[in-house]
Amino acid sequence: ETGVTQTPRHLVMGMTNKKSLKCEQHLGHNAMYWYKQSAKKPLELMFVYNFKEQTENNSVPSRFSPECPNSSHLFLHLHTLQPEDSALYLCASSQEGGREGYTFGSGTRLTVV
Amino acid sequence: SQQGEEDPQALSIQEGENATMNCSYKTSINNLQWYRQNSGRGLVHLILIRSNEREKHSGRLRVTLDTSKKSSSLLITASRAADTASYFCATLGGGAQKLVFGQGTRLTINP
Repeated sequence: ETGVTQTPRHLVMGMTNKKSLKCEQHLGHNAMYWYKQSAKKPLELMFVYNFKEQTENNSVPSRFSPECPNSSHLFLHLHTLQPEDSALYLCASSQEGGREGYTFGSGTRLTVV
Repeated sequence: SQQGEEDPQALSIQEGENATMNCSYKTSINNLQWYRQNSGRGLVHLILIRSNEREKHSGRLRVTLDTSKKSSSLLITASRAADTASYFCATLGGGAQKLVFGQGTRLTINP
């Protein structure tokens, strides 16, 4: 375990479902991130939270809705997704804006059917 | 925008050989970091090199940075089967609060 825990590890959902991804860190970090990793594409930064405030939304469609209730927890709420949203969703945390590196969770493998 | 580009995209070598991966980037950086990802898992931070450093070592890893050429290399010496993974470079810009990742190099170590 890296100290960043993501649940669930795998998720299959229909296009009309609503589901949430959860990320939790116990490292005392003050920044948290959502990344999307699709096959044969670079990691795409989706959202950045610093001290539970959203500081970046990388033009992510509104069917992805993040929530950061405190510096230790990050959620990604999903609704009416498309098959092309199938990917590995990675959460990461860091101190000081990443100057000492990010700590990643193991990811949630999402399949939209 | 994606900044780091790794080269080669895929590398296959025999166990015991050295593996070298390269990364190029486009803008000024605060530091450059290398990560490893085993299939379908999260990324693991390997090593960080700051913009005022030229070389850094950690165990069997050696990283170099040439800011004039905007490039970095990661050398893994005496490779092992367990080194099979994808390797990513990531850059942190001067005023940025986020890492930008390259596409990665898929390394296969053949026993």
